[in-house]
Amino acid sequence: GAVVSQHPSWVICKSGTSVKIECRSLDFQATTMFWYRQFPKQSLMLMATSNEGSKATYEQGVEKDKFLINHASLTLSTLTVTSAHPEDSSFYICSARAPGPRTSLRRDTQYFGPGTRLTVL
Amino acid sequence: QKEVEQNSGPLSVPEGAIASLNCTYSDRGSQSFFWYRQYSGKSPELIMFIYSNGDKEDGRFTAQLNKASQYVSLLIRDSQPSDSATYLCAVRYVETSGSRLTFGEGTQLTVNP
Repeated sequence: GAVVSQHPSWVICKSGTSVKIECRSLDFQATTMFWYRQFPKQSLMLMATSNEGSKATYEQGVEKDKFLINHASLTLSTLTVTSAHPEDSSFYICSARAPGPRTSLRRDTQYFGPGTRLTVL
Repeated sequence: QKEVEQNSGPLSVPEGAIASLNCTYSDRGSQSFFWYRQYSGKSPELIMFIYSNGDKEDGRFTAQLNKASQYVSLLIRDSQPSDSATYLCAVRYVETSGSRLTFGEGTQLTVNP
């Protein structure tokens, strides 16, 4: 399957600092990437959809000024958690949608990065 | 609100048995369905996708789709302890802003040696 990487794999920071997480599709171009957050023993929660060359679409309840998303190239999307607080501590996972014709059902297959565990002290 | 529902489990089966994981969805217009496996502390990995009614087999895994009943399942034959994980069902929904996957809460599976 397709390979998606994330960096860093874990980060510990002080409250009030900003943290940038990178998501890269290594062997395909991804016009669309997704950012999820997962708290312990809970399912994935979609935060935003990142489209290359345009503004991200945020889900209801997700602060766009706090979670800045940039998708400047077809292989890289970044999520910046600004002024992080302990309640932002979570497992952040990106995914990239497989390429293919718009009409292809397989096009909706998402491949996940390994995740970034953020701990805010 | 588009919904995907799974039994949260935990589901416990003995090694070598068949594990059956179920998922229902609310939108009849859904076209693509996915099963992901997530080990504790790791990100999800794709097991299978299915979009036609019936069965789709891949090794020990069989996905079953019944669009009339809005039901999709995953069977794991000859279950192994390494299959112990949380299994996430995901459904593709099409909206005006595009399409995306909606995930169920996941079913935790434990395979006992």
